[in-house]
Amino acid sequence: GAVVSQHPSRVICKSGTSVKIECRSLDFQATTMFWYRQFPKQSLMLMATSNEGSKATYEQGVEKDKFLINHASLTLSTLTVTSAHPEDSSFYICSAKLSPNSPLHFGNGTRLTVT
Amino acid sequence: DAKTTQPPSMDCAEGRAANLPCNHSTISGNEYVYWYRQIHSQGPQYIIHGLKNNETNEMASLIITEDRKSSTLILPHATLRDTAVYYCIVRVVGSSNTGKLIFGQGTTLQVKP
Repeated sequence: GAVVSQHPSRVICKSGTSVKIECRSLDFQATTMFWYRQFPKQSLMLMATSNEGSKATYEQGVEKDKFLINHASLTLSTLTVTSAHPEDSSFYICSAKLSPNSPLHFGNGTRLTVT
Repeated sequence: DAKTTQPPSMDCAEGRAANLPCNHSTISGNEYVYWYRQIHSQGPQYIIHGLKNNETNEMASLIITEDRKSSTLILPHATLRDTAVYYCIVRVVGSSNTGKLIFGQGTTLQVKP
């Protein structure tokens, strides 16, 4: 069964508004979670590493003020797309590990459409 | 982490074995080979991983060459539901590593009836 849950699975918002995406680890604690973005017909691109109790680490070229990450508990990380624009429309996916040496498990993604 | 090279696409007949190759000629001694797949509009699904020995689980087998510069993922009896993009990734494992995965372009496997 799924070990990482994402919500919502789909969201449509208007340009200029903010959208929050939740990523939960089910039945395990995840001190580290990862956020990816995927555009149509492209591979996954790592956006940031979410660390419980501390600031997220962003990959080069990802705007930290636009993509706010909060990892306030050991089972929940949130990604907020602020002042969304149509070019932010994408498939956002989170992942987490059960333990340091275990494989990454992924959520089922969130399809964001900005109109 | 070492880079991997995979063919962009492959076809396989339903019921036959699907053999997906991956080159990782610059792999380091402490890097594992991971395989994931992504079915359309879903998150990636973990399949299998290994260091240097061949591995098998309920989903697939992983064959790693002795020099570790390449590997093959084998789906023994492909079904239509195995149609997906398959990603081969190499990375270091351990508590000192953040665990992030860097995805390449993968191989699109089309299983045909």
